[in-house]
This record gives sequence, structure tokens and C-alpha cells, in this order.
Amino acid sequence: DQQVKQNSPSLSVQEGRISILNCDYTNSMFDYFLWYKKYPAEGPTFLISISSIKDKNEDGRFTVFLNKSAKHLSLHIVPSQPGDSAVYFCAASAATTSYGKLTFGQGTILTVHP
Amino acid sequence: KAGVTQTPRYLIKTRGQQVTLSCSPISGHRSVSWYQQTPGQGLQFLFEYFSETQRNKGNFPGRFSGRQFSNSRSEMNVSTLELGDSALYLCASSLPSTGELFFGEGSRLTVL
Repeated sequence: DQQVKQNSPSLSVQEGRISILNCDYTNSMFDYFLWYKKYPAEGPTFLISISSIKDKNEDGRFTVFLNKSAKHLSLHIVPSQPGDSAVYFCAASAATTSYGKLTFGQGTILTVHP
Repeated sequence: KAGVTQTPRYLIKTRGQQVTLSCSPISGHRSVSWYQQTPGQGLQFLFEYFSETQRNKGNFPGRFSGRQFSNSRSEMNVSTLELGDSALYLCASSLPSTGELFFGEGSRLTVL
């Protein structure tokens, strides 16, 4: 039972355009959501997070949107840069029980073409 | 500020052996979590420790165990290795009241 799903295995975007990565979850207990970026042979790097009490959080070029009724979140990267090419994971936790236990999606490979 | 340090980075074992992986968290971080990454299953939670106590455990067999020391350093052990244990094992640390996990570069285990 996959509680966090990233239905797009890959996404290809032109440099300067917007990248939109999507994530769906099924567990209503999840109340904290994160996006991580990962390069091969490295650990995931934290990008941005959002609590369930918010519907949007921005940090520079990165914006995360949360739609609780649809159990859906998305990551927008504007403008996209070639250095953004990596695997992006969304993750969720039931922070009231534990922040350290994250449930990850399967990841989306983002390729940004110059 | 030094990041999360994992040792060893790479190791090769044979079936039936055991392995111990080490993790030093970021200074001041008292919570340590372990994850397994495989191509088929993705990133899966193994366990979480806080103040030397296991706070959460994932759905892995008892061959997978861990512990945390008083200095917050953590180790995980896998006994009676199986081919399917080949994976990247990632350690992450965090402050107890925040949800941002900071990951190390991982220990790549190959079981032959």
C-alpha cells in the first residue's frame, strides 16, 4: 500500500520554464510534507516543506502547494535551471507522532534542458 | 557546520554475514533515523532513535536492528545478510521539534 505516490516517473522541461512536480497521498494522518532533491550516490537534500495548516509555502524559486481536500501537493520551480536536474522525492509524516518517520514517494526524475 | 557522516561509504559482504553501519549526526541533533533505498522499493523507513530510545520502527524483519549512543551517534546492524539487503542505507538527523531531516551520503551495501 503506497501511501505517497508520485505518478510521473520523469519530467522534461526547458531552461527558464516552470517545472511542476506532483504528489498524492492517502493517509489522512499526514500533516507535514517535504520535498527532497537527490543526485546519484548522494543522500537526499531538503528543499522545502509545508505544514497542513498552510496551503502554500515559498522559498526563492521553489513553491510548494498543498490541497488537503484532494490530498495533493505540488512543487513549482520557477525558473528552472539545468542544475535542477535530479530526482525529486516528496515525503510525508504524521508529525504528531514523529517527525523522523517519513514516508517517501517513488521519485520523479527532472531533466532541465539548456 | 559538519553534516551527517556515515561510514563506511561502500562495503561488500556475502550472504549470511552481518554488517554494522555507523552514523554521526549533525552537532546538536538528537534524533537519528535510518532509511533503506532500493530501486524496487524506493526509500523506506527503518527506525528512528531519540535520546538512545527507539521511537519508531518500520516494517523490516528482526534481522535489522539499531541503537543510539549517549552522544547521539547511531549504528545499525543487519544480521544473516540476504541478497535483497543490497541497498543504499541512509541516515538522517534532525532537531527534535522540526520536521526537516538532514541526510548523510549513505552506505552502499552489496551482498554477494
